[in-house]
This record gives sequence, C-alpha cells and structure tokens, in this order.
Amino acid sequence: GAVVSQHPSRVICKSGTSVKIECRSLDFQATTMFWYRQFPKQSLMLMATSNEGSKATYEQGVEKDKFLINHASLTLSTLTVTSAHPEDSSFYICSASLQGTEAFFGQGTRLTVV
Amino acid sequence: GENVEQHPSTLSVQEGDSAVIKCTYSDSASNYFPWYKQELGKGPQLIIDIRSNVGEKKDQRIAVTLNKTAKHFSLHITETQPEDSAVYFCAATPTGNQFYFGTGTSLTVIP
Repeated sequence: GAVVSQHPSRVICKSGTSVKIECRSLDFQATTMFWYRQFPKQSLMLMATSNEGSKATYEQGVEKDKFLINHASLTLSTLTVTSAHPEDSSFYICSASLQGTEAFFGQGTRLTVV
Repeated sequence: GENVEQHPSTLSVQEGDSAVIKCTYSDSASNYFPWYKQELGKGPQLIIDIRSNVGEKKDQRIAVTLNKTAKHFSLHITETQPEDSAVYFCAATPTGNQFYFGTGTSLTVIP
C-alpha cells in the first residue's frame, strides 16, 4: 500500500511552547489529509480535514487557533500545537487519502507536554 | 452523519481458532469499508477493505463480508496467530473525504 510518513514519532515539550508535526505522503499525491487524536484505549477522534491549498476544516470543539494545520503541497501537511499544555498530551495521527477513497495512516506522534 | 458501531470491544481466542469482528453503519450512502490493525504505539495499518459493489473479499487468512441491506460488515481472521493480537478498527465512508471509525476491538490470541 501507499506510504505515509509522520515525524516525529515522539516528542516531549515544555508547557507553553509550540510543537510541529509533519505528515508526508511518500509515493502518492494526497489531495486530502486528516488529523486525528487518540486517547488511550479509545478510537480515533477526527480533529480536522486538510485540503491542499485551502484552509482546513475543523471538527466541532477543536480550537483552530490552537491546532494550526497547513497543507502547503500535495505531499505535506503539518499540525502545529501552539502554546501546548499538559492536557494536549496525546497520540496524534495523520492519514492521507488516495484518490478520495483509501486512507493510509502515519505511524503517529506521541506528544508529552511537561 | 454516519454512525459506526463495532462489537465486541475485546476478544480473546486460542491460537489457531477464528476471530470475527462485526460492525454496523447507519448511512446507506457509505460505499467503502476499510479495516485497520493498530499495534501498540503505532498508527493504524490498512489490512483489507471492501467496496459496496462486492459482498465478500478475501486475502489469505483475512476476509471481509458486507451486507448492504442490513448495513453491516464483518472481519474474519482464520487460523489466528499471536502476532494477530492488536486493536482492530472498522470504518465507513460515503465520500472518501471523511472516515467514520468504529470504537475498536482489542484482539488477544492466546498461544
């Protein structure tokens, strides 16, 4: 299947700082990328849908000013957690859609805010 | 919007036995149904999928069945092995632009 690379896989940051997570589709062009948050032993919670060249669509309850998403090219989307706090600690996962149907996931980023 | 329910939430089977996970969906417009396997600390990996114009699909020990009339689809794993232990998620999408996930099934294969 198609490969989606997410970086970093693990990051620890201090409270109040910002963290950027990258999501790249390595062997295909992804017109749509999705960002999810996953709490322990729970399903994936969609945060936002990102379309190349346009503003991301955020799910209800997700602060767009806190979780900045940029989809500057067909192979790269970034999620920046601004002014991170301990409650933002979580597992963040991106996925990229292939031709609007199949979706492939990155390996996830474990964010810990101390 | 679409609502996907998944059962059971946990499943334990003996090595070599079969495992079945079931999902139901609500939106008759959904036409693509993937299954993902997620190992601890990793992102979900697509293991098999089925589209609405097909009733069954098989890939070695893994198979998926779809009943569009009843709006349910199932994952079947035969001859289970310890490495099959993971969390499995089903999903449904009517557009391909938004995926609706089930709540996950934690499968444990006992050696």
